[in-house]
Amino acid sequence: DTEVTQTPKHLVMGMTNKKSLKCEQHMGHRAMYWYKQKAKKPPELMFVYSYEKLSINESVPSRFSPECPNSSLLNLHLHALQPEDSALYLCASSQVSGMYNEQFFGPGTRLTVL
Amino acid sequence: RKEVEQDPGPFNVPEGATVAFNCTYSNSASQSFFWYRQDCRKEPKLLMSVYSSGNEDGRFTAQLNRASQYISLLIRDSKLSDSATYLCVVPHNTDKLIFGTGTRLQVFP
Repeated sequence: DTEVTQTPKHLVMGMTNKKSLKCEQHMGHRAMYWYKQKAKKPPELMFVYSYEKLSINESVPSRFSPECPNSSLLNLHLHALQPEDSALYLCASSQVSGMYNEQFFGPGTRLTVL
Repeated sequence: RKEVEQDPGPFNVPEGATVAFNCTYSNSASQSFFWYRQDCRKEPKLLMSVYSSGNEDGRFTAQLNRASQYISLLIRDSKLSDSATYLCVVPHNTDKLIFGTGTRLQVFP
């Protein structure tokens, strides 16, 4: 099974809402990632978890809060978002972190902030 | 100089054609390279990994030129289903992937 799953597929939320994005992988990977992708742009890294510990935060605003409950799950908690946060949010995983490890992406959650 | 640079295209080619994309990178210490394919409104999918001079998988060939710091992707016998954006990706030290802006390919009948 080489699949990363993400829920929900689509999410519409108001600026005062709190919501969460979920990501799951059952490949035994120990590194998981959150990316944000705007239209016609490449993915931008937000967070990296390695062995369930946050190893990289790319200066992401605190209205985005990541969580890694266990080695298979990654959440992204959203609170007080802005319309410019509307984007495709992609989760990825790799066997371990490091430059030789290929990352596999989930299908993404398309987020619209009203 | 950008860390990873690609010609955005689009490359419009007929079915059956051979097409090649180049990608230049700035970090001479980079050891691994990836090509991802991304369809419109879908996630990037790993197409090929390059760790030495090159790699070949069916109609796809990736070649690495360390001296000139570029990697290329050659697609032979293009199919309509090859239409997509091709992302050149170079790891930056450990966990961070640097994505090029992507090259758009459109294969027409």
